[in-house]
Amino acid sequence: KAGVTQTPRYLIKTRGQQVTLSCSPISGHRSVSWYQQTPGQGLQFLFEYFSETQRNKGNFPGRFSGRQFSNSRSEMNVSTLELGDSALYLCASSVSGNTEAFFGQGTRLTVV
Amino acid sequence: AQSVTQLGSHVSVSEGALVLLRCNYSSSVPPYLFWYVQYPNQGLQLLLKYTSAATLVKGINGFEAEFKKSETSFHLTKPSAHMSDAAEYFCAVSEIQGAQKLVFGQGTRLTINP
Repeated sequence: KAGVTQTPRYLIKTRGQQVTLSCSPISGHRSVSWYQQTPGQGLQFLFEYFSETQRNKGNFPGRFSGRQFSNSRSEMNVSTLELGDSALYLCASSVSGNTEAFFGQGTRLTVV
Repeated sequence: AQSVTQLGSHVSVSEGALVLLRCNYSSSVPPYLFWYVQYPNQGLQLLLKYTSAATLVKGINGFEAEFKKSETSFHLTKPSAHMSDAAEYFCAVSEIQGAQKLVFGQGTRLTINP
């Protein structure tokens, strides 16, 4: 059974640009959540999608957005990139809430 | 609001020694508690979870954790450390029923000395 797949693994962008990250959950998983990991702030919850609907949202500015497709694949978008957006972005999927969350390897975003 | 505190950002033990990683949580409702491990340049792997069944939870790789409500703690232990246990460990809490929203501690980096 394939795990959670995040693409791309590494990304370098310039300040002011926008970026889209992709996450393919484990087959049969309908919940996808996103986290930002930085050395200073640690792991912080961005948002969760379930059946194409955003179910929970963390405390991030509106520049951070996401969506989920009918096949449960999810994308997150960050517009007007800032240097502080440099981080490892992790996606996790689960069958439903409060069960095991399986994490992908992450996308490392560097903003220069 | 829920929160997690991991005591000690860095723990160092000798190979074969006891591993003890501390986690205290704050939650207004009975929590769901998790321990995850992260190896360099990798995502998070679930070690174990507490979901209000047994208070002593056994996980993978010989790890276990005990939920103590009176102390609001969920410490992670392993009787005998192995070199392959060197990694970063995260404690996490979730309050929301039916949703996947984890609040993580700051992490503890475990070093194993030969």
